[in-house]
Amino acid sequence: DQQVKQNSPSLSVQEGRISILNCDYTNSMFDYFLWYKKYPAEGPTFLISISSIKDKNEDGRFTVFLNKSAKHLSLHIVPSQPGDSAVYFCAARDDNYGQNFVFGPGTRLSVLP
Amino acid sequence: NAGVTQTPKFQVLKTGQSMTLQCAQDMNHEYMSWYRQDPGMGLRLIHYSVGAGITDQGEVPNGYNVSRSTTEDFPLRLLSAAPSQTSVYFCASSYSYVGDGYTFGSGTRLTVV
Repeated sequence: DQQVKQNSPSLSVQEGRISILNCDYTNSMFDYFLWYKKYPAEGPTFLISISSIKDKNEDGRFTVFLNKSAKHLSLHIVPSQPGDSAVYFCAARDDNYGQNFVFGPGTRLSVLP
Repeated sequence: NAGVTQTPKFQVLKTGQSMTLQCAQDMNHEYMSWYRQDPGMGLRLIHYSVGAGITDQGEVPNGYNVSRSTTEDFPLRLLSAAPSQTSVYFCASSYSYVGDGYTFGSGTRLTVV
């Protein structure tokens, strides 16, 4: 059973509007979360992170929100741009594997011009 | 600025063959990991290393071996390839485990027939 879930396989948004990507996790011991972006034929690239002691972290157009009680993360992209079209992975740090990360299955974001 | 270099980019193997996927990084990172990506599954950890001479198993280690004789290199060996090992393999490295995002290679697409 997956510990990190991204229940929307795909999402389409108009350019200039807000994109909201969601992530749920099951293990309350996860203490650090990352978002990665992946273009076709490339490796994932780190986007933004958040520690469990915070509920929000911003970096330019990207904001990650954490609701620990709901075990829920979301990534907001405002405004969305066509270059944001990619697969977005949510990841949580797992103490079971030397603090490596457990990844969700990804959400494919398409930003339409 | 090479980052993480994976070779080969594509490989087709016959069932039962063995091969080594190469991974090298030039950032003096201590942490290195191997992940596989399958449709709908996200990235799953195969093996990881916290420094030269130290390796450990991840979530899906069966059928794979690793070694870490130098800081720069972390090869992944398939002992006897099976169709279930058809996947995209990503190598990743990071300076430390404390909150740093990984730098990923561009991946090796492996098909076992």
